Amino acid sequence: GESVGLHLPTLSVQEGDNSIINCAYSNSASDYFIWYKQESGKGPQFIIDIRSNMDKRQGQRVTVLLNKTVKHLSLQIAATQPGDSAVYFCAETGRDTDKLIFGTGTRLQVFP
Amino acid sequence: KAGVTQTPRYLIKTRGQQVTLSCSPISGHRSVSWYQQTPGQGLQFLFEYFSETQRNKGNFPGRFSGRQFSNSRSEMNVSTLELGDSALYLCASSRDRGFEQFFGPGTRLTVL
Repeated sequence: GESVGLHLPTLSVQEGDNSIINCAYSNSASDYFIWYKQESGKGPQFIIDIRSNMDKRQGQRVTVLLNKTVKHLSLQIAATQPGDSAVYFCAETGRDTDKLIFGTGTRLQVFP
Repeated sequence: KAGVTQTPRYLIKTRGQQVTLSCSPISGHRSVSWYQQTPGQGLQFLFEYFSETQRNKGNFPGRFSGRQFSNSRSEMNVSTLELGDSALYLCASSRDRGFEQFFGPGTRLTVL
């Protein structure tokens, strides 16, 4: 499949461990944040979102944390599995637009 | 419910030609956005359409244009293709601003 980024930061974790992927967002006016997962040859897949009136949101095996003071977003994946291997993007947007501003992405590699 | 579909999936063109890409959103979604993804620039916003109106436009030259039809399907057109237009073109749909955006698989455009 095609590469989504030639020089992406890479996080390597052992199967079963927890993963934490970090993202610094750019616009203090952004009030809606999304994490996407992109596998080779596919479009970005929605994982979880959070609005600016929250600082934590949990899904199935995933948790997103938002720190508006330092404009930081993180994605925690519990019990990482080989199927979690992909590139992960954070994206931000505002109330009056659907324009998503994407981070550069982080490649997650899971080894046995 | 069917996801976002994009046609064609792959396209090869030569410099100077034009191309039209198509996107069918998830049923009931009225907002469609387009993105360009390249290894060097990452994911960049092209346009946002809602109810046949362009609501937002990214920083791309006028060779890039789009439209949306009454059934919410959208097309984007690139005229006078350049080598640098080679990219994965992604379409995303949502119910409206502030709601989850779901991506299609993309159209891989190669310009020779």
